[in-house]
Order: sequence, then structure tokens, then C-alpha cells
Amino acid sequence: EDQVTQSPEALRLQEGESSSLNCSYTVSGLRGLFWYRQDPGKGPEFLFTLYSAGEEKEKERLKATLTKKESFLHITAPKPEDSATYLCAVHIYGQNFVFGPGTRLSVLP
Amino acid sequence: GAGVSQSPSNKVTEKGKDVELRCDPISGHTALYWYRQRLGQGLEFLIYFQGNSAPDKSGLPSDRFSAERTGESVSTLTIQRTQQEDSAVYLCASSLPRTGMNTEAFFGQGTRLTVV
Repeated sequence: EDQVTQSPEALRLQEGESSSLNCSYTVSGLRGLFWYRQDPGKGPEFLFTLYSAGEEKEKERLKATLTKKESFLHITAPKPEDSATYLCAVHIYGQNFVFGPGTRLSVLP
Repeated sequence: GAGVSQSPSNKVTEKGKDVELRCDPISGHTALYWYRQRLGQGLEFLIYFQGNSAPDKSGLPSDRFSAERTGESVSTLTIQRTQQEDSAVYLCASSLPRTGMNTEAFFGQGTRLTVV
């Protein structure tokens, strides 16, 4: 069964304390893996697409990496405005996007 | 438009009433998705449209739910005889054809539906 899990469920960091979020997937025929950020009361905001193992993408303090079984979202020196829920989604060949449950990140000043 | 637009942003309805939610996708995006997000939960796939192909309705939770799309533009999600468990945020997303490379989906702000 196609499955996407994310860990941890929630993460609290001090401002400047770097960390990583994990997205693990068990799917047949990965078309692409996506990271989104969702703020309370808003729709998910697209961050990155990763298509093949070994690929990396960076944007400001965020860096996403992909292996054959998981993806990591690394947050370097986070700021309070990075607080949000981070969603991982996989796009499966011939099917639709399957989302993970998300990681709620809180960055304390 | 510049982004995916959904209306209304909030809807409060009485149990048993029908509701209609609207989504205007990004111009040129042939793929359109509807998701449901209950409070504190992840995104639950409902239905997918791709051009003039038959929609993928595999995520619709019951026959009270239906959706239509006119060509490659506006889509409406209709919920008949609403029940309290239908209360959620309904999110619409659009993307380029999923057979292409850039298949990332862009989301609207959602419609928050409350059934009382």
C-alpha cells in the first residue's frame, strides 16, 4: 500500500537551532516528491520538487534532499517566521498526490 | 489570474442543506484537484480533473459529494444534505498536466465549511 509518513509530528526549536524533518515513503512508481509549507488558515505553499535520488534543492534557509526511501528538509539557523506545518507529498505514476500528515514546526525567539 | 482562487472563503450552513464550493484554477493549468482537510489532520484527496478526460472520483467519501469542471476552467464541488462530519477546509489545487515534468500543484486558500 502506498504510504507517506513524516517525523517528528511536532518540533520546537530555538531561533538559530538547525534541524531536519523527515518524510518516508513506500510507493510504487514515484513520479516526484514535493514539499509544502502551510500556515494556519491558509492553503499549502509550494516549496520544492525532487524527482530522483541524490537530488537536492535549496531556498533561503531550507534545503531538501531525496533518497530512494525518504526525503529530508533541512532547516539551517531557523527564524520564528519559519514556524509552520511542513507537508510532504508524493506523486505516483498514474495516480494523484498522496500527502503525509505533516510536521508542525515552532521556532522560538 | 495569478493564483488559484476559491470562494467563498468561509461558509456556515445548517445540517441537511446543500452547499456549492467554487475553484478558479491558474490559467493554463489543465489539472485540477480537490482535497479536504479536517482540523489538525492531513490532506485527504477527493477528486481529480485532467482536461477532457473522465475525472478520478476515487476519493469522494459518499454519493452526497460531486464535482464538475467546465473545460479547463472553473470547478464546483457540491455537497448535498450536509452533515456535521463534512465540516472541514476544502482545498483546490491546479497544475500542469501530470504527464509533464513540472507537475507541482499550487493551492488556493481553501473554503472553511462549518455545518451546524
